[in-house]
Amino acid sequence: DGGITQSPKYLFRKEGQNVTLSCEQNLNHDAMYWYRQDPGQGLRLIYYSQIVNDFQKGDIAEGYSVSREKKESFPLTVTSAQKNPTAFYLCASSGTGANQPQHFGDGTRLSIL
Amino acid sequence: GENVEQHPSTLSVQEGDSAVIKCTYSDSASNYFPWYKQELGKRPQLIIDIRSNVGEKKDQRIAVTLNKTAKHFSLHITETQPEDSAVYFCAASTNSGYALNFGKGTSLLVTP
Repeated sequence: DGGITQSPKYLFRKEGQNVTLSCEQNLNHDAMYWYRQDPGQGLRLIYYSQIVNDFQKGDIAEGYSVSREKKESFPLTVTSAQKNPTAFYLCASSGTGANQPQHFGDGTRLSIL
Repeated sequence: GENVEQHPSTLSVQEGDSAVIKCTYSDSASNYFPWYKQELGKRPQLIIDIRSNVGEKKDQRIAVTLNKTAKHFSLHITETQPEDSAVYFCAASTNSGYALNFGKGTSLLVTP
């Protein structure tokens, strides 16, 4: 959807380095999500946020951190503690309330140098 | 937590045939079941969803059926076309959470 912008499209991380993936939406959605996609694994939830200044861990939060200072933005930091960061990262957003359709950005492909 | 199983992992059909993908879920409280289509290197796109108060939903060549008693739901694509070739993901969630639990995906290939 044109309303969710992820950047950069490709990112390379060096050993011991933290990197931050950007996700911005102009859909006026309250909820935002980060998923990790590995081949044959489907999408796994890293973090989600239902409202500004609040977020919850998903199934695979270890080695990642997030912030939600603005409604439009939900950046994800991949820390050096994440030993296997190579994956396709997808950001999504949804409207107010549970069980609203989630709309995805184009993703960021992260690789280790 | 919720566990969503999806079968088959790969599916090959001839153009014009039907394709069926099945998912089962473990949490009886699940009440929202979307299906996403993802083309290679692109974002997942919502193609259809169903809520637990409905047994079947159709949108042109796509339909989804839900059996809450058996805790399974299926995607049906009729009159398949080569552009239907993609990976399809099912998912489930409950009212108590916003997060979706995804199946591992089905790679559908439609051959002319």
